[in-house]
Amino acid sequence: SQTIHQWPATLVQPVGSPLSLECTVEGTSNPNLYWYRQAAGRGLQLLFYSVGIGQISSEVPQNLSASRPQDRQFILSSKKLLLSDSGFYLCAWVLIDGSNEQFFGPGTRLTVL
Amino acid sequence: AQSVAQPEDQVNVAEGNPLTVKCTYSVSGNPYLFWYVQYPNRGLQFLLKYITGDNLVKGSYGFEAEFNKSQTSFHLKKPSALVSDSALYFCAVRDTNSGAGSYQLTFGKGTKLSVIP
Repeated sequence: SQTIHQWPATLVQPVGSPLSLECTVEGTSNPNLYWYRQAAGRGLQLLFYSVGIGQISSEVPQNLSASRPQDRQFILSSKKLLLSDSGFYLCAWVLIDGSNEQFFGPGTRLTVL
Repeated sequence: AQSVAQPEDQVNVAEGNPLTVKCTYSVSGNPYLFWYVQYPNRGLQFLLKYITGDNLVKGSYGFEAEFNKSQTSFHLKKPSALVSDSALYFCAVRDTNSGAGSYQLTFGKGTKLSVIP
């Protein structure tokens, strides 16, 4: 069966510090991968998605970036965090076989102070 | 462009009563529709989906949803609510006419369901 991991689970960082959040998927190959941010426990904002290694599409201009160095690894980064980057970051994957539903990781709670 | 509306920020229901969480959508093509549930500080869990076929879809934990094309709705229902159903519920849509392989979902803002003992 497929599983998706995210780490760290929680993170507290000062403004201006760098960020690296990691997401890995097990038990599948060539998934589409997604990064979402959820603010204040409500709506999801799609940040980036990737349809393959090295292929990143950005949905919202910001100081964040994403990379996909391996088929089942998706990394969210920032060189300098802002207060507004605080939130709950969710990684998700979908297998392009007609099932269509996205499966979500457990999330990373980021607090920027 | 695709969009989803969840008109209620919060729904309160007594334990044992039926519950409904509303969702309407807008797409240019045919919709793929999904419901997810989120417990505090957790990721989203898939509940059910409508792709094609029967308009009434049954999912996890006794939930079901009815696809209504004429009303562009996909309301989530459960005949008898449990206190453990209290959570945040998200409706999502994918327009089969868009995405170019991205399989992007557009999510509603979420509805907080509170089941009162």
